[in-house]
Amino acid sequence: GEDVEQSLFLSVREGDSSVINCTYTDSSSTYLYWYKQEPGAGLQLLTYIFSNMDMKQDQRLTVLLNKKDKHLSLRIADTQTGDSAIYFCAEMGAGNMLTFGGGTRLMVKP
Amino acid sequence: SQTIHQWPATLVQPVGSPLSLECTVEGTSNPNLYWYRQAAGRGLQLLFYSVGIGQISSEVPQNLSASRPQDRQFILSSKKLLLSDSGFYLCAWTVGDSPLHFGNGTRLTVT
Repeated sequence: GEDVEQSLFLSVREGDSSVINCTYTDSSSTYLYWYKQEPGAGLQLLTYIFSNMDMKQDQRLTVLLNKKDKHLSLRIADTQTGDSAIYFCAEMGAGNMLTFGGGTRLMVKP
Repeated sequence: SQTIHQWPATLVQPVGSPLSLECTVEGTSNPNLYWYRQAAGRGLQLLFYSVGIGQISSEVPQNLSASRPQDRQFILSSKKLLLSDSGFYLCAWTVGDSPLHFGNGTRLTVT
């Protein structure tokens, strides 16, 4: 079946850029998503990219998609302490079902 | 605009007791509805999804069941809770190929 992998943990200093990476196996993915989860809360949709795009930028967020390598990344510019959270990537595959990665915990140090 | 409501926010139940978690969606019709479970703040496990009233698909065998008595209402139930049912339960909805939107979750602790 489909698989989505993420690194478990990332630590950066406030003001630096954060890059969270994700790999997936389903070559028929139509959309790929990034969600943010703060402690004790549900998942908040951050951004998403259609599979025929290479890049999408939205204020401090930049999503890069390498479809050949099945690699997705989320770059957060000027990372702030409020960005500390768990970030999930997800891909939409057959039957419009989402497969989620295990989440990357981002810690931002002041 | 569309909103999703999940309740209760937290729940502590003894082993062997029943469970009922409710989720409702407003502002849309005929959504696809989902129940996910998240253990220890990590990955999400899809438990059930529904594409219409009375239509429930189960992804994993378990001690839980789901029902959709109305178009925008999704209920997660158990007749007898186990310790292993503890976790963070998330309801979500989507329409067509729009992104999945999540509720705020219910933290269930089985003691």
